[in-house]
Amino acid sequence: EAGVAQSPRYKIIEKRQSVAFWCNPISGHATLYWYQQILGQGPKLLIQFQNNGVVDDSQLPKDRFSAERLKGVDSTLKIQPAKLEDSAVYLCASSQTSVGTYEQYFGPGTRLTVT
Amino acid sequence: RKEVEQDPGPFNVPEGATVAFNCTYSNSASQSFFWYRQDCRKEPKLLMSVYSSGNEDGRFTAQLNRASQYISLLIRDSKLSDSATYLCVVNDYGGSQGNLIFGKGTKLSVKP
Repeated sequence: EAGVAQSPRYKIIEKRQSVAFWCNPISGHATLYWYQQILGQGPKLLIQFQNNGVVDDSQLPKDRFSAERLKGVDSTLKIQPAKLEDSAVYLCASSQTSVGTYEQYFGPGTRLTVT
Repeated sequence: RKEVEQDPGPFNVPEGATVAFNCTYSNSASQSFFWYRQDCRKEPKLLMSVYSSGNEDGRFTAQLNRASQYISLLIRDSKLSDSATYLCVVNDYGGSQGNLIFGKGTKLSVKP
């Protein structure tokens, strides 16, 4: 079974530039998550999709971050404009469901450096 | 938002040692608990779910104390390959459909 795919794996941009990340979840997984993991910390949820609808985006900095999952499969996360504090690994995860005990499968992440 | 607190570590132990990690969570309504493992520069992967009665998987034992809002992970007979960061994860049942709240992780280094 193919895992969660993410691209690019690495990205270096200057502050105030924009950047986009792509994620393709495991086939059949209805729930997709984007996390931000800053060095030395655990992943922090940015946004959760159920199919193509947003379930939770309460921790997404909406003035600069946006995400979409138009056809309920793959998803993009965009940052515009980037700030130095956005330097982090952006992890995409998917799960079959989001109720009860379930496993989230993570992609390899995109390591973003903002200079 | 609800919090998950862990021993920061690092834990440096010799091969064969027994090591225990502790974790506390603040949301008493949480229903699901997990330990994830994250290798250096890799993604987190589920190590084990934690059940109310406690559960064991080989050398790994997880315990849950709901009254104290406390979770533990015990690793017996440590192997070099156990070196990783161990993330305590709690279902944020107060949120929509149960988002996972991750602790900062405890780093384990097993030495020969």
